[in-house]
Amino acid sequence: QIMLTQQAESLWISPGERVSITCRASQSLLYTDGKHYLSWYQQRPGQTTKALIYHASVRTDGVPTRFIGSGSGTEFTLSIEHVQPEDFAIYYCLQTLKSPLTFGSGTKLEIK
Amino acid sequence: EVQLVESGGGLVQPGSSLKLSCVASGFTFSNYGMNWIRQAPKKGLEWIALIYYDSSNKYYADSVKGRFTISRDNSKNTLYLEMNSLRSEDTAMYYCAKHSEALMGYFDYWGQGVMVTVSS
Repeated sequence: QIMLTQQAESLWISPGERVSITCRASQSLLYTDGKHYLSWYQQRPGQTTKALIYHASVRTDGVPTRFIGSGSGTEFTLSIEHVQPEDFAIYYCLQTLKSPLTFGSGTKLEIK
Repeated sequence: EVQLVESGGGLVQPGSSLKLSCVASGFTFSNYGMNWIRQAPKKGLEWIALIYYDSSNKYYADSVKGRFTISRDNSKNTLYLEMNSLRSEDTAMYYCAKHSEALMGYFDYWGQGVMVTVSS
């Protein structure tokens, strides 16, 4: 199965700073259609899990432009510029290229 | 507005069975793949099952294969997860999530989840 590694369990940052969360796949997530099947999700207490980024770099509808997805092949990054108070949450990457679908272990963004 | 509402959770004994439901609204349910994902207390997300839009294919995580069955009734806009031979390690919040496309894609909408506790 494809393993996704999010090395940072927690990241401590101050509001207004920029942060990057990495996700490394055990094999390429590039499909024959030229798209990477890697997406990013935000989980906040009391709210439904929210999709932020799909195909590695495409923001979903309504997601602020401060959320930026990048990467290709096996290395992917979710960057958040000028972190806002509501961004302190847990972030997961997910690969939907091949079954079993797999999530990264999650990275919790915490206030410094 | 897309809504996914799970139900059917509860406290059950090890070895017993339970069937979860997820009622969908706000989109054409029969056009999209659907998933079940779970999250054990204080743990990360674990995908457990996917069903294609037309039920032609079903996929499972190894941890539930042979014990859990995903199904859907497109006439009722409802997704199901039948769970048998439940173990303590199946204790988790269970979420249904919509696929963004019929087959591949990402999980564009999630439900609020339903809690399943397996304990004697």
